This record gives sequence, structure tokens and C-alpha cells, in this order.
Amino acid sequence: IQMTQSPSSVSASVGDRVTITCRASQGVGSWLAWYQQKPGKAPKLLIYGASSLQSGVPSRFSGNGSGTDFTLTINNLQPDDFATYYCQQSNSFPRIVFGPGTKVNI
Amino acid sequence: DVDLVESGGGLVHPGGSLRLSCAASGFSFSTYSMNWVRQAPGKGLEWISYISDSSATIYYAESVKGRFTVSRDNAKNSLFLQMKSLRDEDTAVYYCARNGSETPGGMDVWGHGTTVTVSS
Repeated sequence: IQMTQSPSSVSASVGDRVTITCRASQGVGSWLAWYQQKPGKAPKLLIYGASSLQSGVPSRFSGNGSGTDFTLTINNLQPDDFATYYCQQSNSFPRIVFGPGTKVNI
Repeated sequence: DVDLVESGGGLVHPGGSLRLSCAASGFSFSTYSMNWVRQAPGKGLEWISYISDSSATIYYAESVKGRFTVSRDNAKNSLFLQMKSLRDEDTAVYYCARNGSETPGGMDVWGHGTTVTVSS
């Protein structure tokens, strides 16, 4: 299963809504997670099961989709949200596949 | 606090070997399956290995199969990655990550990473 993300990068401002799309080459059900990674830091789990918010993650993050098409939406973008975001499918668990990433720039 | 701390990275020549460790604390390590994930400089995340809680089930990405060996010592709350026949393309930050029991399909705890540089 191959994963693609679009866009590869996006420029946005504080307060904007940003939507990132992730597409799987074949259906993965709801076995889709989203991570945030900042430079020099480990990834942080944001969303699992396509739409379940990880504990402690702000509610401005939301995930949607099933099958092959998924979205991560960040509402009211905050300065702390500028980072790279990765989707990850685990339908073929434990052989996990990450998407190539989307960088959210100021 | 729940924590994972990797160690063992460094500079190694092509064809050499290295053993990475991941020390777990703050949770019942023996009840969680674990992964190794790596990230080459300026690149994305690549899953490379999985080990079940009891070590009964192990998987590798094709890119490392036959060269890397994952293992764990539940008595010592530790995860290991033995790497041999290292190549330039194995240069990366290596992370250990826990498969969450309440986050199906998601890795909920990550270490800070340890850097492996393969170069002559």
C-alpha cells in the first residue's frame, strides 16, 4: 500500500484553516493515523482510527475519511502548529506505511 | 512519566555494525508491542521493524531484512536493534515507538531518537 499526501507544503497564517489530504493506493478502512513533527523532534500522534483525537491534542485538530481518502484539518491555526504532518496507514499492520509528509509554513 | 530513551547511535563505516538500545520507563513494557522507525536527513519517516510484546512475532521492512535484527528484554524494559552490513542509505535518526493499547494503529509514545551515520 502506497500513501500520498497533498499538498507537499502549504503556507498559511495564524487563524487560518488548513486541510491536508492523504490518499492510500488501496482501501485501508479507518486504519489511518496522523502525526505532527517539529524540526529535531520526534513525531507526535495527533489522530488515530482516522478521526479519533489522541489524548491531550487540541480540538482544533480533526481527522476524517475512510477507505482511500483522508483529511487532517487544523482550524484556527496557532503558531505552535507550524510543523510537518505525516499520515500513516496500519491496515497492513504491523507493516506500517507513512505518507511523505506535508510541511505547514508560516 | 512514560518515556523511551534510545542510545547506541554513532559513526560507523560502510559494512560495519551497530547495536541500538531503547530503554522504557513509566509503563508496563512487557505488555506493548514496539517498533523501530527511522528518518534519513531531510526525508520522511520509514517504519523498519516491529516486535510483539512476547517477541513471538517480528517483522522487518524489505530495506533492512536480513541485515537488522530486533529483540527485546522485558525483564530489563529494553528494546534493541542489531544492525549489520550497514550502508550509506542507513544513515538516519532511529526512533523506537510504542504501539498504543488505546490508540489502535497509532504509535503513541516515541523516543527522542538516536543518530546513526554510515560513512567512510
